Amino acid sequence: EIVLTQSPGTLSLSPGERATLSCRASQSVSSNYIAWYQQRPGQAPRLLIYDSSNRATGIPDRFSGSGSGTDFTLTISRLEPEDFAVYYCQQYGNSPSAFGGGTNVEIK
Amino acid sequence: QVQLQESGPGLMKPSETLSLTCTVTGYSISSGYYWAWIRQPPGKGLEWIGTIYRAGSTFYNPSLKSRGVISLDTSKNQFSLTLSSVTAADAAVYYCARRSYNGYGYFDWWGQGTLITVSS
Repeated sequence: EIVLTQSPGTLSLSPGERATLSCRASQSVSSNYIAWYQQRPGQAPRLLIYDSSNRATGIPDRFSGSGSGTDFTLTISRLEPEDFAVYYCQQYGNSPSAFGGGTNVEIK
Repeated sequence: QVQLQESGPGLMKPSETLSLTCTVTGYSISSGYYWAWIRQPPGKGLEWIGTIYRAGSTFYNPSLKSRGVISLDTSKNQFSLTLSSVTAADAAVYYCARRSYNGYGYFDWWGQGTLITVSS
């Protein structure tokens, strides 16, 4: 079973700054099948990125994903006020599918 | 657009059987895709519970130790989760979601979630 470790646990940044979130897998993720989700308080997760680097429908281009093998990154180029939230990665290349523990992006 | 809505009892007692239903609108579940349940304990991360395909094939997270059953009702465009012998560890927000075909699937449409509390 693949375990995903997200870092940092909390990222304190100001609007306009760049955010870099890491997701590390305990073993190589088949076909680099990594997704990223944003979850605002009291809301369901929202798909941002799938297949490591493809933006989901309607997702702004300030969100980008990259990586391969065991190391994956979500980058938010310039933080908007609505981007302060918790972000989860998910691997779906190996069974069972699993989520990381999340990174909380908070306002500094 | 696709919309999903969970419904459930809210409060359960330990050892009872939990039944949740997800009603899908904007897409016929018999047309394709996989349909999944995911849960999130209060203040914690996400856990995939299981998935069903339109033909009735099901896949479960081994962590549930065979307590979960997912079923489809195409006449009502709904799918359901039954979880037996609940304990405090099953307290969570339960989400239903649509799962993609890629690999073991990412989740592109989610319900708003329903909170299940387990208390005697």
